[in-house]
Amino acid sequence: AIQLTQSPSSLSASVGDRVTITCRASQGIRTTLAWYQQKPGKAPKLLIYDASSLESGVPSRFSGSGSGTDFTLTISSLQPEDFATYYCQQFNDYPHTFGQGTRLEIK
Amino acid sequence: EVQLGESGGDLVQPGGSLRLSCAASGFLVSSNFMNWVRQAPGKGLEWVSIIYSDGRTYYADSVKGRFTIYRDNSKNTLYLQMNSLRSEDTAVYYCARARGGSASHKTVSEYWGQGTLVTVSS
Repeated sequence: AIQLTQSPSSLSASVGDRVTITCRASQGIRTTLAWYQQKPGKAPKLLIYDASSLESGVPSRFSGSGSGTDFTLTISSLQPEDFATYYCQQFNDYPHTFGQGTRLEIK
Repeated sequence: EVQLGESGGDLVQPGGSLRLSCAASGFLVSSNFMNWVRQAPGKGLEWVSIIYSDGRTYYADSVKGRFTIYRDNSKNTLYLQMNSLRSEDTAVYYCARARGGSASHKTVSEYWGQGTLVTVSS
């Protein structure tokens, strides 16, 4: 199975900061990567698919990039509602594995 | 409006069985790719299974041979039959509708239910 490793596992930042989260795949997955945001007690929300395509309704401060094995999710200017846990998921091959998550906390 | 509502979660003993349901509205389950994803308490997300619109199914290695995904088109409902349950199956189970279409992202989960809790314990 393809393994996804996110870094960092947790991150403290302030409102207005630019934040980058990395997801590394154990083998090449082209651009078959999605990013989700999850808040406590809630279902995940799709942010990005195909590594860089913004899901409809998601603010433009979210962006994704990468291909092959290395991917990034960037939030250009953190807003209070962005403090959450973020997951990457590959859909290149089954099982469609998730990264372990990155918890974004308020500094 | 797309809506998904899971039910069926319960406390069950190890080795037992449980069937989860995911009632859908606003779209046809039969015409879409549908996923089950779970999350153990305090842990990350784990993809469990998918059923294609053409009926093909795929499973995580951890549940293969024990879980079965299927749908009832007349009820517009997705199911997950879980047998031989283990303590490590304890989790909130989410159903999700995928984006669909023909591109590679057709299996990406776009709409999610609120989840149902399964607890496997004696």
